[in-house]
Amino acid sequence: KAGVTQTPRYLIKTRGQQVTLSCSPISGHRSVSWYQQTPGQGLQFLFEYFSETQRNKGNFPGRFSGRQFSNSRSEMNVSTLELGDSALYLCASSLGSVINSPLHFGNGTRLTVT
Amino acid sequence: AQSVTQLGSHVSVSEGALVLLRCNYSSSVPPYLFWYVQYPNQGLQLLLKYTSAATLVKGINGFEAEFKKSETSFHLTKPSAHMSDAAEYFCAVLLNSGYSTLTFGKGTMLLVSP
Repeated sequence: KAGVTQTPRYLIKTRGQQVTLSCSPISGHRSVSWYQQTPGQGLQFLFEYFSETQRNKGNFPGRFSGRQFSNSRSEMNVSTLELGDSALYLCASSLGSVINSPLHFGNGTRLTVT
Repeated sequence: AQSVTQLGSHVSVSEGALVLLRCNYSSSVPPYLFWYVQYPNQGLQLLLKYTSAATLVKGINGFEAEFKKSETSFHLTKPSAHMSDAAEYFCAVLLNSGYSTLTFGKGTMLLVSP
């Protein structure tokens, strides 16, 4: 069974630009979550989608958005990039609740904003 | 709100020595707790989880953790460290039992010397 796939692995963008990151969950998984990982703040929750609906959102500005498609694949978008957006963005999928179905993480997309 | 605190950003042990990584939680309800490991340039991998079934939880790679309500702790241990255990370890708590949103600690980097 293929794992969680994130593309691209690396991105370099300039301040003010926008970026789209993609995540393909494990087959059959309907929940997709996104996390931002930085050395200073650690892992911070961005949002979670389940069956194309956002069911939870972290404390990030509106420049961060996401969506989930009918095949459970998810994208997140960051507009008007700032230097502080440089981070490793991790996607994770599960069947629904992590009590019964653990979160499976992808290897992440490393975004560098210059 | 549920949260976790990991004591020690870095822990150094010798190969063969006991590994002890500390995690304390804060929760107004019985928590669901997790330990994840992250190897360089990779996503997170679940080591073990506590879901109230048993206070001593055994995970992969010889790790185990004990839930102690009186101490609000969920420390991760391994009797004998291997070089391959060198990685960053994260303790996490589930925010809502119906969802997949985890709140992570800041992480502890485990260094293993020969």
